[in-house]
Amino acid sequence: AQTVTQSQPEMSVQEAETVTLSCTYDTSESDYYLFWYKQPPSRQMILVIRQEAYKQQNATENRFSVNFQKAAKSFSLKISDSRLGDAAMYFCAYRSYLYGGATNKLIFGTGTLLAVQP
Amino acid sequence: GAVVSQHPSWVICKSGTSVKIECRSLDFQATTMFWYRQFPKQSLMLMATSNEGSKATYEQGVEKDKFLINHASLTLSTLTVTSAHPEDSSFYICSAGVGQPQHFGDGTRLSIL
Repeated sequence: AQTVTQSQPEMSVQEAETVTLSCTYDTSESDYYLFWYKQPPSRQMILVIRQEAYKQQNATENRFSVNFQKAAKSFSLKISDSRLGDAAMYFCAYRSYLYGGATNKLIFGTGTLLAVQP
Repeated sequence: GAVVSQHPSWVICKSGTSVKIECRSLDFQATTMFWYRQFPKQSLMLMATSNEGSKATYEQGVEKDKFLINHASLTLSTLTVTSAHPEDSSFYICSAGVGQPQHFGDGTRLSIL
């Protein structure tokens, strides 16, 4: 069974600075998806970024980028130029590459609560 | 706009009441939907996989008779919390999607008095 681990329950960053959130996972599959979701106090789940395991290039979305190390099973999220609106709970998630049915389910880490200091 | 609609967003009811939560895919057909539960300051835990036209698949430890799931059409799945008790109070959220990414509903905050 796949597992996702986030070892940082809480993190804090100064506005405009850079912060990195850690995520490790365990799987025996060779192809899969990895995601970072943001959950603000409204509790909406907002997709921040995703990575396909077969792609060597790290995904980037504006101020958000990942460091995907497949051999180490590591998937960290870097937030550059942090803003007050980035304050939220961040979840790392795993999904099998197999298509359809229950394989679409997401397996979440325990989350990292990010505070942004003005 | 939202592609997955979840209703109601917040419900408060007395102990012993049954509560139904709806999850609708608005502009796509979803043969599979997922129901998660989230306690305060914790992660999302998958409760069950809802399959259109067939029985739901429940995760280990989730009571099938307590959490009834019906997926009668390609755009609607319902979760019914039967005879709800205070310990069932939680945030329930559904997701659906064809491939990736999954789209989440806005969640239902359930409070049992």
